Amino acid sequence: GENVEQHPSTLSVQEGDSAVIKCTYSDSASNYFPWYKQELGKRPQLIIDIRSNVGEKKDQRIAVTLNKTAKHFSLHITETQPEDSAVYFCAAGLKDTGRRALTFGSGTRLQVQP
Amino acid sequence: NAGVTQTPKFRVLKTGQSMTLLCAQDMNHEYMYWYRQDPGMGLRLIHYSVGEGTTAKGEVPDGYNVSRLKKQNFLLGLESAAPSQTSVYFCASRTPGQVPSSEKLFFGSGTQLSVL
Repeated sequence: GENVEQHPSTLSVQEGDSAVIKCTYSDSASNYFPWYKQELGKRPQLIIDIRSNVGEKKDQRIAVTLNKTAKHFSLHITETQPEDSAVYFCAAGLKDTGRRALTFGSGTRLQVQP
Repeated sequence: NAGVTQTPKFRVLKTGQSMTLLCAQDMNHEYMYWYRQDPGMGLRLIHYSVGEGTTAKGEVPDGYNVSRLKKQNFLLGLESAAPSQTSVYFCASRTPGQVPSSEKLFFGSGTQLSVL
């Protein structure tokens, strides 16, 4: 099955700095890579995703890059703000195949210091 | 729309007791999932269902059973709870299809379970 590794497990940055979280996956068949954000005591929520036919995707201050050859993908947050503090999960799976549910990474706790 | 609703929100069990967690969604989603969340281990899939009357094992199914008798409900059962099942449990659902954002998982608010 799929195995997703995520680093770092914790990340502390100063407000306004950039943050980068990296993930690797094992199954070359995976073609869908979402990122979920979980604020303290809340449910995970999708913030951005990328499909294997795209190398990069941006949405305001967040971006995700994908390197299918190396089987890794990354989340980039620029101009970090205190409200970005949360746990971020990467995941990998097969698009539109409920039978192959997403495999999540172990999470990164991001702390943005004001 | 309420989205995905989980009950109960908190529960404390003694070892050997049984309980059922209920997940209900009002978005007419075909696919439903049960995950458990433990510190440093992310979200691990317990069981899932791709439609009414169907269930399948995920990554960590031992000690759990599930049922999907109605499309909107997905039940997770613990027949004989063990301390290793202390965790936060999340239900999620999504719709199948090729349209963009159809892969988005909608999560419930979670159930914090402690087994003493």
